[in-house]
Amino acid sequence: KLVESGGGLVKPGGSLRLSCAASGFTFSKAWMTWIRQAPGKGLEWVGRMRSTSNDGPIDYAAPVKGRFTISRDNSKNTLFLEMKNLKTEDTAVYYCTTGAGDGESLWGQGALVTVSS
Amino acid sequence: QTVVTQEPSLTVSPGGTVTLTCTSSSGPVTSGDYPNWFQQKPGQPPRPLIYSTNNKHSWTPARFSGSLLGGKATLTLSGVQPEDEADYYCLLYFGGVQLMFGGGTKLTVL
Repeated sequence: KLVESGGGLVKPGGSLRLSCAASGFTFSKAWMTWIRQAPGKGLEWVGRMRSTSNDGPIDYAAPVKGRFTISRDNSKNTLFLEMKNLKTEDTAVYYCTTGAGDGESLWGQGALVTVSS
Repeated sequence: QTVVTQEPSLTVSPGGTVTLTCTSSSGPVTSGDYPNWFQQKPGQPPRPLIYSTNNKHSWTPARFSGSLLGGKATLTLSGVQPEDEADYYCLLYFGGVQLMFGGGTKLTVL
C-alpha cells in the first residue's frame, strides 16, 4: 500500500514536501516513482528513484529538474518529493507508484498540490 | 523532446472490439520500451492493465490485450463492456530511465 500526504495550497515561488508511506513490501528494494496529473489533464512522469542497492542517479522529467528532489528514508518506509520554486503549472494531484518488475503496478490515492496566489 | 501520441478519443459499441495505439516520435515502439497501459475513471487513480507490452496483471480482465504492431504499442479490448468507458494511457520507458506517458485516449462506449 502507498499513502501520499503533505499536499496543500502554496503560493508561486513557495516550497512543499510530499511524503509517501509504503507498506506491504520491502521498501528498500523498490524503485519508486512520482507521477502527477494536472486538473482535467493527462498523466505526467515526474521522477524516479532506484532501489537502495541499485547505485545510480535519480531521474527527473525536464519540467521539474533542478526544482524537485526525490529522496527516501528506508527506516521509515517513506518516499519524499521536495518541491521548490513552485509554479502555477505544478498544480496537480501527485501520485507515488512502484512495481516489482511489473511496471507501475501499485499506486497511492494521490495528494493534491495547488499553487496559487 | 520525444512525444508519445495516442488517439484523443474513440467510440465503440457494446460487445465490439477496439484497438488503441501508442506511438513515439523518436521511432518505432519496441519491447525495450516496456509499454504499459492504464485505465482511469473519473475521480480515481489510474488502474494498471498491461505491463511489458502484453503482460496482464492478476486483476486485468481477459478482454484486454496488449501487443506491438507496425512500430506501435496497442491495447485491444474485445467484447467491450459499458464499464470499459474510461480514459486510457500508455507509458513508455525510454532507456529504462526516462518515462513518458501518452496524452490519453477517451473511450466512449455507445
